[in-house]
Amino acid sequence: GAVVSQHPSWVICKSGTSVKIECRSLDFQATTMFWYRQFPKQSLMLMATSNEGSKATYEQGVEKDKFLINHASLTLSTLTVTSAHPEDSSFYICSAKGMTGGRSPLHFGNGTRLTVT
Amino acid sequence: AQKITQTQPGMFVQEKEAVTLDCTYDTSDPSYGLFWYKQPSSGEMIFLIYQGSYDQQNATEGRYSLNFQKARKSANLVISASQLGDSAMYFCAMRESSGNNRLAFGKGNQVVVIP
Repeated sequence: GAVVSQHPSWVICKSGTSVKIECRSLDFQATTMFWYRQFPKQSLMLMATSNEGSKATYEQGVEKDKFLINHASLTLSTLTVTSAHPEDSSFYICSAKGMTGGRSPLHFGNGTRLTVT
Repeated sequence: AQKITQTQPGMFVQEKEAVTLDCTYDTSDPSYGLFWYKQPSSGEMIFLIYQGSYDQQNATEGRYSLNFQKARKSANLVISASQLGDSAMYFCAMRESSGNNRLAFGKGNQVVVIP
């Protein structure tokens, strides 16, 4: 089946530093990747849609300069949390859709638990 | 406006029994897809089952089945013969054809299977 690898699975960083999270589709080409954020015991909130070779589309209320997204190839998208603050601590999870039809589900990475101290 | 509604409180279910998780949705798009995902405590999102808006039959995948009532805009998940490993959060999600493949998630249902 389709596999999405997300790295790192957890990270602790100091306030003011930047953190990069990678999302790779291992056995399929992902034209579109999505980045979600999840607070404890809450739902997944879509942050942005990442299309290969073009600028990401951010959801309302998500700061594009804060959460930099790069989708340089059909198998890799990255999310960089810039100048992280404690309120950025959250579970970030990426997903990818292959080139197959509309019935295909999004395949998710295992998520990254970010803690900003 | 909330597109996916899951309002049940956390549920305890006896092992080997069936459990139904409610999901209602709101869309004006005639073409859409409904998904259920399972999220165990480790955090990964596991795809369970899919129902297309034009599908004539309710979807089934092993112990998972979907009770799709289009007129009522509901897509309830039924898990039969619950197992201890079914303890997790369950999310209902919708993808609209006009939505650029984006998935909108409900708030989830917590299920705990007890022996």
